[in-house]
Amino acid sequence: EIVLTQSPGTLSASPGERVTLSCRASQSASTNVAWYQQKLGQSPRLIIHGASNRATGIPVRFTGSGSGTEFALTISSLQSEDFTIYYCHQYNNWPETFGQGTKVEVK
Amino acid sequence: QVQLVESGGGVVQPGRSRRLSCAASGFTFSNHNMHWVRQAPGKGLEWVAVIKHDGSNEAYADSVKGRFTVSRDNSKNTLYLDMSSLRPEDTAIYYCARVQVPYASMVHFDYWGQGTLVTVSS
Repeated sequence: EIVLTQSPGTLSASPGERVTLSCRASQSASTNVAWYQQKLGQSPRLIIHGASNRATGIPVRFTGSGSGTEFALTISSLQSEDFTIYYCHQYNNWPETFGQGTKVEVK
Repeated sequence: QVQLVESGGGVVQPGRSRRLSCAASGFTFSNHNMHWVRQAPGKGLEWVAVIKHDGSNEAYADSVKGRFTVSRDNSKNTLYLDMSSLRPEDTAIYYCARVQVPYASMVHFDYWGQGTLVTVSS
C-alpha cells in the first residue's frame, strides 16, 4: 500500500500569500495523483488530477506539480475561500489511498 | 448535471447491518466505475470499496473486507453498500464517488455525493 504523507499538517498564511502544500508517497505513484479541497460540512471537490492538470472550473491560482514520490499543490495568491483542508489521493496502485490532509488557516 | 445522492445512514447497533444507497443521475451510470469513501468525524478520507462499471468486479479495503459488499443496479442507476457486523470504528460519513473516465480503473474521482452519516453505537 502506498502511504501518502502530507505536510505541513496545518499551514498558517495570510490572504494574498503564495503557499505550497506537499504530498510525499512511500513509493512511486507516477503522475497518478489528485488533489481535493474539502470545506467544512461539504464533500471533497476535485482540484488537480494527473498531478498537474487543473480540473474544470478551478481557478488558475491552483497549480499541481510533481511525479514519482514528491507532489505539490501551490496556491499563488490565497483568497478567503481557499482557507480549508486539502487532501492528496493516489490512484496508481491498489488500494487507492489518501493523505491525512493539510489545513490552510488564516494567520 | 451529474448528481450523486446517498441515503440509508443512521444509528445502528454494533454487530448489526445497514444498506447504503447512492442514486446517480445526469450521466450514463453504467459506463463508470464507482467508489465508496468514508470519513470518520473530524478525520481524513479513507477509501472503502470500488465496483466496475458493469458490476463484474469489486475490491475492498482490508478494514471492511468480508463485512462490506458493494453492488450496483445499472437499470436503476443506483450503487449500494451492504455493511454487516458493524463496529464503532465504522462510524463515518460515507460518500459515493464517480471515476471521471468511462470504463477506466485507477482514475481520479470527479464527482462526490453529499455523504450519509452512519453512527455505530449501542
